[in-house]
Amino acid sequence: GAVVSQHPSRVICKSGTSVKIECRSLDFQATTMFWYRQFPKQSLMLMATSNEGSKATYEQGVEKDKFLINHASLTLSTLTVTSAHPEDSSFYICSARDIRGEGTQYFGPGTRLLVL
Amino acid sequence: DAKTTQPNSMESNEEEPVHLPCNHSTISGTDYIHWYRQLPSQGPEYVIHGLTSNVNNRMASLAIAEDRKSSTLILHRATLRDAAVYYCILRDPYSGAGSYQLTFGKGTKLSVIP
Repeated sequence: GAVVSQHPSRVICKSGTSVKIECRSLDFQATTMFWYRQFPKQSLMLMATSNEGSKATYEQGVEKDKFLINHASLTLSTLTVTSAHPEDSSFYICSARDIRGEGTQYFGPGTRLLVL
Repeated sequence: DAKTTQPNSMESNEEEPVHLPCNHSTISGTDYIHWYRQLPSQGPEYVIHGLTSNVNNRMASLAIAEDRKSSTLILHRATLRDAAVYYCILRDPYSGAGSYQLTFGKGTKLSVIP
């Protein structure tokens, strides 16, 4: 099956620092990738849609200058949380849409971010 | 977006079949029905999807009502590893810029009893 990886799986950082999370589609190409955030006991909330070679589209309420997204190739998208604060602590999950077939989305394993 | 309604939680005994229902009475003609599941502390996992006909794969079966206003995900033999939150999501691939997005509801938390 299609595999999406995320790195790192877990990160702890100090308040005010920036953290980069990578999302890769390992065995398929993805022109579109998505970034979600999930707080404890809640469902996934879409943060932004990332299209290869163009600017990301952010959902309402998500600060584009705080959550920088780069989608430089058909297999890689990165999310950078800039000047992280404790309220940014969450589970960040990416997904990639397979360009083949009916465009099924496959999800990464998630990145647990803890900001101290 | 057409919405779905799922029970908050369900229980099943191990090695027995599980039928997870989903209501989507406002489904449009071009909405596909997708099922994902999420195990604790993991990203969602694709399970199955369909449009009108029933679908089978190695993980599960999807039974779609004739009027498409409801569907049922069937796990033929539940195992402890099937304990997860199961999400039923509608997606219209022809709805323009937002057509690729998946909107997650609260899903059904399935507990499997040994």
